[in-house]
Amino acid sequence: SQQGEEDPQALSIQEGENATMNCSYKTSINNLQWYRQNSGRGLVHLILIRSNEREKHSGRLRVTLDTSKKSSSLLITASRAADTASYFCATDASGFGNEKLTFGTGTRLTIIP
Amino acid sequence: GAVVSQHPSWVICKSGTSVKIECRSLDFQATTMFWYRQFPKKSLMLMATSNEGSKATYEQGVEKDKFLINHASLTLSTLTVTSAHPEDSSFYICSARRGKLLHGYTFGSGTRLTVV
Repeated sequence: SQQGEEDPQALSIQEGENATMNCSYKTSINNLQWYRQNSGRGLVHLILIRSNEREKHSGRLRVTLDTSKKSSSLLITASRAADTASYFCATDASGFGNEKLTFGTGTRLTIIP
Repeated sequence: GAVVSQHPSWVICKSGTSVKIECRSLDFQATTMFWYRQFPKKSLMLMATSNEGSKATYEQGVEKDKFLINHASLTLSTLTVTSAHPEDSSFYICSARRGKLLHGYTFGSGTRLTVV
């Protein structure tokens, strides 16, 4: 399987704290994307980081990418109850013989009010 | 922009019957559509990739005769689960890709299939 690994599998924190999730992958990529999924719903695209970028910000989200280690992290600052969801990283290896998104195993984030 | 509509959002069917799930790109032309399956508290597993007007490419281990995919137009792809069994019960999600854009993936809201 080409699926990446995410850790932790589950994370519970108090509202207002920061949440950090990590993702590791196996192949060369064009970009890495992070998605959020509320229970029983579809995926919402959060942020995309290209392979030549090392860090990217969007609102309370901060994503880093280390292609030498084939890893990425997603930081959510000042967490809110509404951030409770599952978070998935997905790698796009288009151009490397893999024209599709491959998802990580996901992190279930619970924000405690 | 970039909205993908997936229908139905949930369906219950009897064993042995077939179920069709539709995935429509509402405001863009989707050159490629993807179908995923997700088990409870698990990640998304790609089932197949379909390009408009051509046969779908199935991932290893996915039965193409059981999961029929049709991508008849640039805005519509369908997944038909044939002769459904309880083990086919799952959450199915489609995704549409706009051309070759690096960020051009948009996901449907998913279909919860329960086979009884």
